[in-house]
Amino acid sequence: GAGVSQSPSNKVTEKGKDVELRCDPISGHTALYWYRQRLGQGLEFLIYFQGNSAPDKSGLPSDRFSAERTGESVSTLTIQRTQQEDSAVYLCASSPFEGSYNEQFFGPGTRLTVL
Amino acid sequence: KQEVTQIPAALSVPEGENLVLNCSFTDSAIYNLQWFRQDPGKGLTSLLLIQSSQREQTSGRLNASLDKSSGRSTLYIAASQPGDSATYLCAVRDSGGSNYKLTFGKGTLLTVNP
Repeated sequence: GAGVSQSPSNKVTEKGKDVELRCDPISGHTALYWYRQRLGQGLEFLIYFQGNSAPDKSGLPSDRFSAERTGESVSTLTIQRTQQEDSAVYLCASSPFEGSYNEQFFGPGTRLTVL
Repeated sequence: KQEVTQIPAALSVPEGENLVLNCSFTDSAIYNLQWFRQDPGKGLTSLLLIQSSQREQTSGRLNASLDKSSGRSTLYIAASQPGDSATYLCAVRDSGGSNYKLTFGKGTLLTVNP
């Protein structure tokens, strides 16, 4: 079946503009995660959705970042008033259900460049 | 707070060589450890997942070991090939608190020269 997909693959924006990134998880996966990978850094956890539970937003770096998920499907990550330090690859992952043994399957990422 | 370190940061080897990538983590209370491969412009591909109760996992030319008590894991690649060139990431999943998220190292950039 299809893997995790993300769009756009690349996004160049001007400082101060808002951007929206999209993630389509693997069908049937109830858990969805967003990570950020800045140049030279490891992946950083941003936010986690599990079914209809309240999301864990503890990794969001500022209130300019927000994310939504519709049921157990598509998720969007929105960055308002983008800053140059927001430039990174944003990766989405999903897993079939929440449990200690489940692998996270990653999408190809969206490369965001803020000029 | 869990911290994951990968050594070396970069490695260049001739084709055919066996090699070892190292990963260490500060908190041994983990559910599992995963090794990923990342190719330029692409997402992460899961290579091996080791549960905390396991000592090693094998897939083809890859073998990953886990010593949870000492906070170490190694990824062994046998008979390396140019196609193995990529960044290899190690990630752990903690067993307490927010145990669904992965903590990643910065990766080892591997270049296998023909």
